[in-house]
Amino acid sequence: GAVVSQHPSRVICKSGTSVKIECRSLDFQATTMFWYRQFPKQSLMLMATSNEGSKATYEQGVEKDKFLINHASLTLSTLTVTSAHPEDSSFYICSASGGIHTEAFFGQGTRLTVV
Amino acid sequence: QKEVEQNSGPLSVPEGAIASLNCTYSDRGSQSFFWYRQYSGKSPELIMSIYSNGDKEDGRFTAQLNKASQYVSLLIRDSQPSDSATYLCAVTGGSNYKLTFGKGTLLTVNP
Repeated sequence: GAVVSQHPSRVICKSGTSVKIECRSLDFQATTMFWYRQFPKQSLMLMATSNEGSKATYEQGVEKDKFLINHASLTLSTLTVTSAHPEDSSFYICSASGGIHTEAFFGQGTRLTVV
Repeated sequence: QKEVEQNSGPLSVPEGAIASLNCTYSDRGSQSFFWYRQYSGKSPELIMSIYSNGDKEDGRFTAQLNKASQYVSLLIRDSQPSDSATYLCAVTGGSNYKLTFGKGTLLTVNP
């Protein structure tokens, strides 16, 4: 399978600060990347879909001004959680698809804790 | 609204047994079907994909798809304790690769 790298794997930040999470496809060009959030013992919740070079499409209920997504190249998408609050603490996971791959491959996930 | 339903579990099987995981989907236009495994605290890992009716085998795993019944399943033969995880069924309908996930089934394989 293809390799998707997500960084950082774990981050702790103070309330009110911003955090950037990177998602990279290492061995293929990802025309589409997805960002998910997962709370404990719950399934993945899709936050937004990003296509290279265009604005992200956010799912209903997800604040686009709070969760900034940039997909500037075919191998990199970033999610910035702005003005983070404790309720934003969660497991954030990206996935990428494209090229010869019809499957979606996931990054390792980022455990965000806002204190 | 597209929905993917999985048997709620949790499912517990003894080591060496066959574990059977089931999934139904609502969108008849769905074209691609996937099974992901997620260990606690980790991100999902793709274990099987299936696109046409019938069975697809990969090692101890067999995926079965029946589009007429809108049903996809995953069989794990000779279950091992290391198979203990949450199994997520995912479906996509078009070329945008947007997955719709089920809520997952927690499988425990007892030594």
